[in-house]
Amino acid sequence: QSVLTQPPSVSGAPGQRVIISCTGTSSNIGAGYDVHWYQQRPGTAPKPLIYVNSNRPSGVPDRFSGSKSGTSASLAITGLQAEDEADYYCQSYDSSLGGSGVFGTGTKVTVL
Amino acid sequence: EVQLVQSGAEVKKPGESLKISCKGSGYSFTNYWIGWVRQMPGKGLEWMGIIYPRDSDTRYSPSFQGQVTISADKSITTAYLQWSSLKASDTAMYYCARHDGGSGSYSYWGQGTLVTVSS
Repeated sequence: QSVLTQPPSVSGAPGQRVIISCTGTSSNIGAGYDVHWYQQRPGTAPKPLIYVNSNRPSGVPDRFSGSKSGTSASLAITGLQAEDEADYYCQSYDSSLGGSGVFGTGTKVTVL
Repeated sequence: EVQLVQSGAEVKKPGESLKISCKGSGYSFTNYWIGWVRQMPGKGLEWMGIIYPRDSDTRYSPSFQGQVTISADKSITTAYLQWSSLKASDTAMYYCARHDGGSGSYSYWGQGTLVTVSS
C-alpha cells in the first residue's frame, strides 16, 4: 500500500549525520501535500518529529530537521545519538487515493 | 493534557466480531479528526481511515474500505474501529491518532491496541 518509498535502513556512528529520503510521486508529495515525520522506538507508539515539511514540535531536539523538494522529502539527523536508534516514517496524502493519508515504507536507523 | 487512551489487547477467533475504542480527553473532541493506523507484526504503518466526531464524517483508505467500520460517540468522546468478521490477517497493533487540521499531521497518538486473531 505504501506509495512513499524510504530506504530500509541507514546507519551512522555517534556524532555523525544521517539523511533519510522519502520519495513520492506527482499525486502525493509532488502535488503539494505536506510531509510529516514520526519516530517509533520498539514497543511504543509513533512520536511526531517534524510537521509541515520542516517544523519541529515542542521538545524535539534541533538535531532533527526536515525538507521537501519536488516529489521528495528528507529527514536529517545531525550529531547522531544512541537514543536516535529507531524506525522513522514519513507521512503525506495522495490524490489518487481520494486524499487518503499515506505513510512511507519506514527506515530503521542504527547507531553503530 | 491531551490524551488518547485505547482499549486493551484482544484475542479473537477467525469469524468473530470486534470493536476497539479510543477515548480522547484534554481537548475539544468534536473539533479534531481522529485517524486509525494499522501496524502488522514487524511491518510499517498503514493509514486506515479517519472520522470527524462532530458529524461522523468518515473517510477510508481504499485498502480498508469495506473491511472495517470507523465510528464515534461524541457524547463520551470516544472513537471506534470495528470488524464484523475477523481474519487471521487482521492480527496487528492498531493506533488511533488525533489529526491536526491546520498542519495535516498527527500530533497525539494512543498507546495502541494489539489484536490477535487465531484459531
